[in-house]
Amino acid sequence: NAGVTQTPKFQVLKTGQSMTLQCAQDMNHNSMYWYRQDPGMGLRLIYYSASEGTTDKGEVPNGYNVSRLNKREFSLRLESAAPSQTSVYFCASSGYRDSPLHFGNGTRLTVT
Amino acid sequence: RKEVEQDPGPFNVPEGATVAFNCTYSNSASQSFFWYRQDCRKEPKLLMSVYSSGNEDGRFTAQLNRASQYISLLIRDSKLSDSATYLCVGTMIKAAGNKLTFGGGTRVLVKP
Repeated sequence: NAGVTQTPKFQVLKTGQSMTLQCAQDMNHNSMYWYRQDPGMGLRLIYYSASEGTTDKGEVPNGYNVSRLNKREFSLRLESAAPSQTSVYFCASSGYRDSPLHFGNGTRLTVT
Repeated sequence: RKEVEQDPGPFNVPEGATVAFNCTYSNSASQSFFWYRQDCRKEPKLLMSVYSSGNEDGRFTAQLNRASQYISLLIRDSKLSDSATYLCVGTMIKAAGNKLTFGGGTRVLVKP
């Protein structure tokens, strides 16, 4: 069972570079989420997609864009990376209403 | 005030002892709750779902007190492997997509 798969696992960017974090789930879940986690800050929601074709801003959307390509895939794009975006990024998905989240392994991003 | 608050700890627990800690939530509309376990720099993993007054799974017991708006987690017969950060999550079901709010986590260190 793959569950939620994120790529890449690690990435180092220079300020101003762009990149896309990929996320795919094979559980036929409707909802998908992107979180970032910084030391001492807990998990903060960047964007989420309640269903295929919809996306909404979370708590900290500035500097990010997302695409819900299909039911399986939800990507997160940094158009112009900044050192403040150095973080661990987690993708998650959930199925039916009020079901728990299933997380990917995370992407550790460093912006220099 | 944060929507979901946790004592960050750490709770230093002798092996074999019982430890309990709470998570308070401010939004009475929160409908379901989850406890996740997170090991250092890894993805959160679901420990327990709480949809009504409580839940028990082996050495772990969660209790929900809606009147006082808190949820507790109790770990009996603590093992060294229980050392982790425990995240509390509150969920509100919305038409536009469930809103899940994470607490900052409670760190537990079980020592020999």
